[in-house]
Amino acid sequence: ILNVEQSPQSLHVQEGDSTNFTCSFPSSNFYALHWYRWETAKSPEALFVMTLNGDEKKKGRISATLNTKEGYSYLYIKGSQPEDSATYLCAFSNTGNQFYFGTGTSLTVIP
Amino acid sequence: NAGVTQTPKFRILKIGQSMTLQCTQDMNHNYMYWYRQDPGMGLKLIYYSVGAGITDKGEVPNGYNVSRSTTEDFPLRLELAAPSQTSVYFCASSYQARTYEQYFGPGTRLTVT
Repeated sequence: ILNVEQSPQSLHVQEGDSTNFTCSFPSSNFYALHWYRWETAKSPEALFVMTLNGDEKKKGRISATLNTKEGYSYLYIKGSQPEDSATYLCAFSNTGNQFYFGTGTSLTVIP
Repeated sequence: NAGVTQTPKFRILKIGQSMTLQCTQDMNHNYMYWYRQDPGMGLKLIYYSVGAGITDKGEVPNGYNVSRSTTEDFPLRLELAAPSQTSVYFCASSYQARTYEQYFGPGTRLTVT
């Protein structure tokens, strides 16, 4: 069984706070790491796909980093807004063409 | 573009019944995936396809079958439904391999009683 772990499981922050979450994955046979944003009653939507050690991606106030050697990725949200409230999923893909999702970090931004 | 569509949205099955979950994408994507999501668990890959006529097992394929006769369609077949198959099922597609983002359908909520 291949484990992808996300922490924390849930998070409540005040509007304007910056926050970050962690995704841990096996460091062997790495191929790609995906981040998705999942709002209630909707489908997951892609934020980033990262493939290289040291990759950094940014989209507006959200950014992500990747360390394939130690098997972790961080997602950062700067100046959280209520519309950032969602579950953030990471998914690890190995050389075997499989995808393994974490259970997600549920973020609630309090106005 | 409609993106990825799934039918039905909801379904209740009795134990032992069979059904097909439909998935269609209009983005000309080569890769398609079926996931299930159980409460408190992450999405689990059931089957995937890298193109018409080619399918392969994911992490949890038992109790399911798939086919891919066209680029657009990727139906998931449940034979002899069991309560353990109660879940929310998501279909997804991507342009190419694992370095491309996946686009998800709205999901099908299935209850087996």
